[in-house]
Amino acid sequence: EDQVTQSPEALRLQEGESSSLNCSYTVSGLRGLFWYRQDPGKGPEFLFTLYSAGEEKEKERLKATLTKKESFLHITAPKPEDSATYLCAVQTGNTGKLIFGQGTTLQVKP
Amino acid sequence: NAGVTQTPKFQVLKTGQSMTLQCAQDMNHEYMSWYRQDPGMGLRLIHYSVGAGITDQGEVPNGYNVSRSTTEDFPLRLLSAAPSQTSVYFCASSYAEGREQFFGPGTRLTVL
Repeated sequence: EDQVTQSPEALRLQEGESSSLNCSYTVSGLRGLFWYRQDPGKGPEFLFTLYSAGEEKEKERLKATLTKKESFLHITAPKPEDSATYLCAVQTGNTGKLIFGQGTTLQVKP
Repeated sequence: NAGVTQTPKFQVLKTGQSMTLQCAQDMNHEYMSWYRQDPGMGLRLIHYSVGAGITDQGEVPNGYNVSRSTTEDFPLRLLSAAPSQTSVYFCASSYAEGREQFFGPGTRLTVL
């Protein structure tokens, strides 16, 4: 069964304290892995797409990496405005549909 | 561009009532989808469409109907609301299946 698991469920950081969020997956044929950011009361906002192991993408303080079993979202020197829930989703080879993880809620304190 | 719009933002229904959640996009996207988001469950796909006139079921389609008569609109119909359908509903669109999806602001539905 296709599955996406994100850890930790919640993460509290001090401003400037770098860390990583994990997204592990077991799917039959990965076609793409997506990272989204979701603010309270809003819809998810697209961040990155990764297609193959070894691929990396960066945007401001965020960097996403991909291996054959997991993806990491690295947050360097976070600021309070980075506080949000980060969602990982995998597109499987069989159906082409997205399977979402449960998300990691990040809180960055000043 | 307005992007993806959803109406209403909030809705309260009684068990057994029916209603339609509206979704529209102005980006000329072929692919549109409906998700529900529940605490601890993540986003789950209800129905999706790869183009006007074509729809298919997602992971949790029971109790919901969709149609796609135009590229822009993709309404979600609740046939007979049940408390288990209390959730936040998101509509999304993308250029094609497998590309990044753009989400609407959501509709928070409560069924009493």
